[in-house]
Formats: sequence, structure tokens, C-alpha cells
Amino acid sequence: DSGVTQTPKHLITATGQRVTLRCSPRSGDLSVYWYQQSLDQGLQFLIQYYNGEERAKGNILERFSAQQFPDLHSELNLSSLELGDSALYFCASSASDRGDEQYFGPGTRLTVT
Amino acid sequence: AQSVAQPEDQVNVAEGNPLTVKCTYSVSGNPYLFWYVQYPNRGLQFLLKYITGDNLVKGSYGFEAEFNKSQTSFHLKKPSALVSDSALYFCAVRPGDNYGQNFVFGPGTRLSVLP
Repeated sequence: DSGVTQTPKHLITATGQRVTLRCSPRSGDLSVYWYQQSLDQGLQFLIQYYNGEERAKGNILERFSAQQFPDLHSELNLSSLELGDSALYFCASSASDRGDEQYFGPGTRLTVT
Repeated sequence: AQSVAQPEDQVNVAEGNPLTVKCTYSVSGNPYLFWYVQYPNRGLQFLLKYITGDNLVKGSYGFEAEFNKSQTSFHLKKPSALVSDSALYFCAVRPGDNYGQNFVFGPGTRLSVLP
């Protein structure tokens, strides 16, 4: 168990809908990262937050947004969902925003029908 | 922009034999390099990292990796493979001098250790 929790584990929704994925980092970790893993695109970095502020941005679509709250949990919001958004979404956390290793949660499997 | 290549989609090795999973990278400045392992239906688990210092780094479960700056490589190795090492392995890089840059993961290499 990495200490990172993600909810829900599975999510099935229809195209055009909006969903929110939630992540709680390991106790004491200040950085949260979001990744998308799909069969055709591999593991794609989406965005990183450090202590409530956006720190790095990757291949995140404009339809997607994220935030990190004062208690350090994070939410990833996905809107106007398309079939291609179906994937496994991972959250990871690390102690700082430097060279620390990341600890990954179990993921949320999103299926868009 | 940084990138990571894992030239082998699949590596097969017999139990007890040494294993190598290859990784090459491209990044501006000094790299931070990582190896992660993913078991079926699980999140990624950290194995080891290179930040600075000794080019040979040792990690979890008997794995080690060697940083080679001239060849821009960071190959993962283990002297004696176990069947339980069978999993998907990812190499990752981020620039050590610019924390605003992305982490980039390689496409993954599936390791199968045959009994």
C-alpha cells in the first residue's frame, strides 16, 4: 500500500458528461501529480501541484482541470467527456517538488460510453 | 523537450539468469532518472532513482541501474531474475535544473521471467 488513495475505483459515464476524480496524498507529501494511462498512449503526465499551487503542466486537455486544496488532497475534473477519454487515471504524490520518488495510487478506471 | 526510449517492448529471461531492461533519454541539463514497476491492476511502484553521485544506484527488490552520461542511458539490471519480477517496467526522466518541466515516462517494457 503506497499510502495514496484515489476514489472512485471505477467510473462509467456517458459522452458529454463531467466527472471528478479525487486523490489523497501520502501523509506529509506536498506534491500531487496526475497521469493518464491508456493502451495507445502509454503513461501521460497531466499536471503537478505543489502545496496548493500548479507547478508543472503536461499534456492536459483544456476540458480537464485540477486543483489542490489546503488539506493537500487534489481533484481532477474532466468535462465534455469523449470516448477517447476512457483510461486509467493515476494520482501520485511526493514529499517535495524536486527529485523525490513518486508514490502512486491504485488509479481510477474511467469508461466513457 | 525531454524524451525517454525503451527500445524493447518485451524482454524474456529464464529464472536465475541476469536481466537487463534498457532505457535511453534525452533531456536538457542534468537529468533526474527513475525506474518504476507496474504489476497487473496496480499503480506504479518506485524502484530506484539517480539524482547525482555514484553512477550505479541500488534499489528495491535487488534491482540496480547504471547511469551513463555519454550514452544517455539508464539501464535497469538484476543479477538473478525471479518469476515474481514479471511485470511492466517504466523508465522516467525530468530535468534536474527546471522543476517546472514535465516528468516523461517511457512506453514501458514488459518483462517475463520464465520458470
